[in-house]
Amino acid sequence: SQTIHQWPATLVQPVGSPLSLECTVEGTSNPNLYWYRQAAGRGLQLLFYSVGIGQISSEVPQNLSASRPQDRQFILSSKKLLLSDSGFYLCAYLRAHEQYFGPGTRLTVT
Amino acid sequence: GENVEQHPSTLSVQEGDSAVIKCTYSDSASNYFPWYKQELGKGPQLIIDIRSNVGEKKDQRIAVTLNKTAKHFSLHITETQPEDSAVYFCAASKNYGQNFVFGPGTRLSVLP
Repeated sequence: SQTIHQWPATLVQPVGSPLSLECTVEGTSNPNLYWYRQAAGRGLQLLFYSVGIGQISSEVPQNLSASRPQDRQFILSSKKLLLSDSGFYLCAYLRAHEQYFGPGTRLTVT
Repeated sequence: GENVEQHPSTLSVQEGDSAVIKCTYSDSASNYFPWYKQELGKGPQLIIDIRSNVGEKKDQRIAVTLNKTAKHFSLHITETQPEDSAVYFCAASKNYGQNFVFGPGTRLSVLP
């Protein structure tokens, strides 16, 4: 069976500091992977998606970036965090046509 | 691009009553419509989905209906229970599950 992991679960970072969030998927090969951000009480905003190693598509311009160094690893990064980067970050993978989400990372930028 | 609207934004029902959440979409090429349940502090969980070649799908107390002509689809929960309380999201995608566009969510509260 497939599982998806995200870490850390929670993170508090000062403005201007770097960021690295990691997502890994088990039990599947070459999945489509996604990064979403969810602001408090809001819907899901697609940030990046990847159809394979080194292939990243960005949906919105921002100070975030994504990388896929391995088939089942997806990383979300920033060089300098902004207050507006606070939120709940969700990684997801696609199996057939169904999308499955990880447990999320709660990021608070202070 | 695709735009998904969802109503209502909040919904309170008495335990045992039914709850209905409705979504509309703009892109007639969308062909896959999942519904997700998100509990506090957790990632969304897929609860039911429907493809464009089907008008209705049911799974125990949960059902989804799709009207392609009107471009809307709805989630129906019958005999609601307190554990149904959560935020529910609808979504639409083309090509059976490539990029998804999500609705803004509905906070459902089931009152005991």
